[in-house]
Amino acid sequence: EAQVTQNPRYLITVTGKKLTVTCSQNMNHEYMSWYRQDPGLGLRQIYYSMNVEVTDKGDVPEGYKVSRKEKRNFPLILESPSPNQTSLYFCASSLSMGLEQFFGPGTRLTVL
Amino acid sequence: AQSVTQPDIHITVSEGASLELRCNYSYGATPYLFWYVQSPGQGLQLLLKYFSGDTLVQGIKGFEAEFKRSQSSFNLRKPSVHWSDAAEYFCAVGAGGTSYGKLTFGQGTILTVHP
Repeated sequence: EAQVTQNPRYLITVTGKKLTVTCSQNMNHEYMSWYRQDPGLGLRQIYYSMNVEVTDKGDVPEGYKVSRKEKRNFPLILESPSPNQTSLYFCASSLSMGLEQFFGPGTRLTVL
Repeated sequence: AQSVTQPDIHITVSEGASLELRCNYSYGATPYLFWYVQSPGQGLQLLLKYFSGDTLVQGIKGFEAEFKRSQSSFNLRKPSVHWSDAAEYFCAVGAGGTSYGKLTFGQGTILTVHP
């Protein structure tokens, strides 16, 4: 089944404790992207990747890191999480930027 | 930098009534425009997109949108709303050139459908 998977789905952590949210797609998509969703703000793009080893900043990249070493994986790294990073995070992928993006199920992160 | 504004946070319509959700964008060149829908607790699903060509775009579930360059708008319409259309709708604009790949979403419009 074609899908985008994210792990974990739910995470409660404390300020400053490094964490990684994984994202994997099995559709051989070139384009992958991370978003955070906050009430009243819609989705805001954190980072995106046009292909392996090609990443760029979205609108809200501060406090986040990404890497794209393999085509299928695009992990989101929070080196030192803070409470303002409490949010619902979505990973998405598509064959290329202009085509339909397939979204993962979301990861709800709480930073205490 | 591109931006998107959805002026209506919440819209309520009766089942069977027509619907128009507004979207205004800001971008220096011809944008790539999208409408996505999110049902409660779900991810996002693409309704339709505009890249070039015909300014009236047809999408899934009976939705359509019209690109109006002079008004910087990309409003979403449906002639007759069904109860299952209740969801949150997001307009998004994509950039070209050196920012190709960057996608900016609006704040979203919550649609409530009354029977």
